[in-house]
Amino acid sequence: GAGVSQSPSNKVTEKGKDVELRCDPISGHTALYWYRQSLGQGLEFLIYFQGNSAPDKSGLPSDRFSAERTGGSVSTLTIQRTQQEDSAVYLCASSFQGDQPQHFGDGTRLSIL
Amino acid sequence: AQSVTQPDIHITVSEGASLELRCNYSYGATPYLFWYVQSPGQGLQLLLKYFSGDTLVQGIKGFEAEFKRSQSSFNLRKPSVHWSDAAEYFCAVGPDSGGGADGLTFGKGTHLIIQP
Repeated sequence: GAGVSQSPSNKVTEKGKDVELRCDPISGHTALYWYRQSLGQGLEFLIYFQGNSAPDKSGLPSDRFSAERTGGSVSTLTIQRTQQEDSAVYLCASSFQGDQPQHFGDGTRLSIL
Repeated sequence: AQSVTQPDIHITVSEGASLELRCNYSYGATPYLFWYVQSPGQGLQLLLKYFSGDTLVQGIKGFEAEFKRSQSSFNLRKPSVHWSDAAEYFCAVGPDSGGGADGLTFGKGTHLIIQP
């Protein structure tokens, strides 16, 4: 079956612009996660959604970052007023429930000029 | 706070030779442990997981890992590597079975190079 789908696969934008990253989880998976992968910081957990419940946002690196999940399925990660340090690969993962292994998408490579 | 240490940044192994990638974790209770592999430009693929029970777990692609509580380790092994195993390998620990509210904590990764 289809895996976790992320779009776009690559995004280049100018500093100060807003960007939206999309994640489409595996059908039937109720848990959805966002991670950031960068050379300096490795893999960092950002935020977790379980079904339609409100997420814990404490892992988001700044208030410029926000995420939502509509209808318990597709999620978008929004970064406002992008900075160069936001350049990274943003990975999305989903799992059947919060207590099952996570399956990852191929990521969105974000480059801030 | 939980943490994961992968002491080897790079490892070079000859094709056909055996492989062991090290992973040590710090966690206050019984951990849930994972190994993922990442090829260039790809996401992470789950190789294997330990939740409970038998401390030797088998995964895909001929990999296995052994959980040793006394050493806080979860080392990944393969008896004979193939050129296609060249990739980045990540060890991860979850706060409970699979991730929960805090997601996974990853090590920095080990880059595996296969020599012909």
